[in-house]
Amino acid sequence: GNSVTQMEGPVTLSEEAFLTINCTYTATGYPSLFWYVQYPGEGLQLLLKATKADDKGSNKGFEATYRKETTSFHLEKGSVQVSDSAVYFCALRGNAGNMLTFGGGTRLMVKP
Amino acid sequence: EAQVTQNPRYLITVTGKKLTVTCSQNMNHEYMSWYRQDPGLGLRQIYYSMNVEVTDKGDVPEGYKVSRKEKRNFPLILESPSPNQTSLYFCASSSRTGNSNQPQHFGDGTRLSIL
Repeated sequence: GNSVTQMEGPVTLSEEAFLTINCTYTATGYPSLFWYVQYPGEGLQLLLKATKADDKGSNKGFEATYRKETTSFHLEKGSVQVSDSAVYFCALRGNAGNMLTFGGGTRLMVKP
Repeated sequence: EAQVTQNPRYLITVTGKKLTVTCSQNMNHEYMSWYRQDPGLGLRQIYYSMNVEVTDKGDVPEGYKVSRKEKRNFPLILESPSPNQTSLYFCASSSRTGNSNQPQHFGDGTRLSIL
């Protein structure tokens, strides 16, 4: 079956530091890949997505590249802000249906 | 405003007392699903529905029921709740079933505590 593995948190960074949150996946075929963000007390919001190999998703300064050769979709941001503090979930959706498979989530804490 | 609305947001109850968490979406989405979120486990799908009167089990369906009598509503029913169902629950919806490009829209979550 499909699975997603993320680095465990929490990840604590100072403002303006570089962020990487690793995500690797196992899936058959050609899944679509997503990053969702969950701010405190809220539901999940789609942050970015990529639907085929070598696609780069980007939004709000975050980006992630769909690497089929390494089955990875690492999230990066060049300069984090305090407002980026949240839990980040990597997810994939296979070719059949709409079911999402999530990673365990990574909590990011950014200190001023 | 497009949204997925869950109620209640918080509930503390006791073992064995039936409860229902409602979910409603105003986007005319065909696909709806329920997840539970537990520390270190991410979100795991409980049940999903591809359209009215069509429901199916996700990864962790035991102890839960759902119904889809109308397109906009997808209630989650716990007939006899137990403490291991204490969790944070999310409802989600999306359009165009079978199209893996469409993102899911999530509600704000329902925190259930079963004593």
